Amino acid sequence: EAGVAQSPRYKIIEKRQSVAFWCNPISGHATLYWYQQILGQGPKLLIQFQNNGVVDDSQLPKDRFSAERLKGVDSTLKIQPAKLEDSAVYLCASSSVRTGRAGELFFGEGSRLTVL
Amino acid sequence: GQNIDQPTEMTATEGAIVQINCTYQTSGFNGLFWYQQHAGEAPTFLSYNVLDGLEEKGRFSSFLSRSKGYSYLLLKELQMKDSASYLCAVMDSNYQLIWGAGTKLIIKP
Repeated sequence: EAGVAQSPRYKIIEKRQSVAFWCNPISGHATLYWYQQILGQGPKLLIQFQNNGVVDDSQLPKDRFSAERLKGVDSTLKIQPAKLEDSAVYLCASSSVRTGRAGELFFGEGSRLTVL
Repeated sequence: GQNIDQPTEMTATEGAIVQINCTYQTSGFNGLFWYQQHAGEAPTFLSYNVLDGLEEKGRFSSFLSRSKGYSYLLLKELQMKDSASYLCAVMDSNYQLIWGAGTKLIIKP
């Protein structure tokens, strides 16, 4: 079974530029998450999708971040314009059940963003 | 507010046993999860507890006390490859995962 695919692995941009990250979850996984992880910290949820609907985007900085999951499969996270504090690893994860062990997430390798 | 506390860093010796503690205060409880994260890599699932008691899986065990809001991850026969960060996460009443900051475990020969 293929794992969660993410691209690009690394991205370096200047502040105020834009960037987009792509994620393809494990086949059949209805729930998809985007997390931001800063070095030395736990993952911070940006947005959670259930199929193509948004479950939670309360911590997504909506003035600069956007995400979509149009067909309930793959997803794109965009940042525009980027700030220095957006330098982090962006992790995509998926899970297959709504309750109980829904906390058993499968993560992609992450996209490391450096904003200069 | 919701909060998960775990030590920032721990050091242990190869072949020994180490216990990583996690205390939590959340709005409801629907399970506690431990993840392992090697430097530069993504987290991988280790264990799940929803009832009180000990869950054993090879060299790793995880314990839960819901009344105390407490869990620990026990690693036995430590190997150098166990050097990693260990993340505690709790699923609250809304089935949202609340994450701790992680415990960096350093294994010395």
